[in-house]
Amino acid sequence: ETGVTQSPTHLIKTRGQQVTLRCSSQSGHNTVSWYQQALGQGPQFIFQYYREEENGRGNFPPRFSGLQFPNYSSELNVNALELDDSALYLCASSKGGTKQETQYFGPGTRLLVL
Amino acid sequence: AQSVTQLGSHVSVSEGALVLLRCNYSSSVPPYLFWYVQYPNQGLQLLLKYTSAATLVKGINGFEAEFKKSETSFHLTKPSAHMSDAAEYFCAVSATTSGTYKYIFGTGTRLKVLA
Repeated sequence: ETGVTQSPTHLIKTRGQQVTLRCSSQSGHNTVSWYQQALGQGPQFIFQYYREEENGRGNFPPRFSGLQFPNYSSELNVNALELDDSALYLCASSKGGTKQETQYFGPGTRLLVL
Repeated sequence: AQSVTQLGSHVSVSEGALVLLRCNYSSSVPPYLFWYVQYPNQGLQLLLKYTSAATLVKGINGFEAEFKKSETSFHLTKPSAHMSDAAEYFCAVSATTSGTYKYIFGTGTRLKVLA
């Protein structure tokens, strides 16, 4: 069984640019959640996708957007990058969006905005 | 609103000593609680989870946690620390907002194991 994978592992962007991060969910999982982990902090919920629809959003501005594809993989897009967007971005997949479902995390994409 | 608080951002123990990492939760409904470990430059790995089946939960790598409703706590313990346990540990609660279940994480505890 393949776990959650993310790409790229690292990238460097400059302020104002746009970035796309990718996540492949674990086999059999239809829900993907994205989290931002700033240095020295716990992960913060960005949004969740369930069966290709956004299923909830955290306290992040609209320049953070996403997609989920029919194979349940997902993308996180960030427009107009700001210095504070520098962080580790984690993707997690689960079998559904219910309380008892465990979320399994990928290794993350580390984004540095200069 | 649901939340978790991790007491102690840094904990140091000697190899072979007891590991105790503290987590207190706030929830108006029966919580689902999780402990994750993060090794340097890696993602989060699930250690264990509480889903109301049993108050003492055993996880991987010899870790366990006990759910105490009266104390609103879910502390993580390991009887004997190993050098490989050095990592950051996060407690999380599964919380719902308008039908979406997301994890709310604590700020983490960095565990250092001394030889």
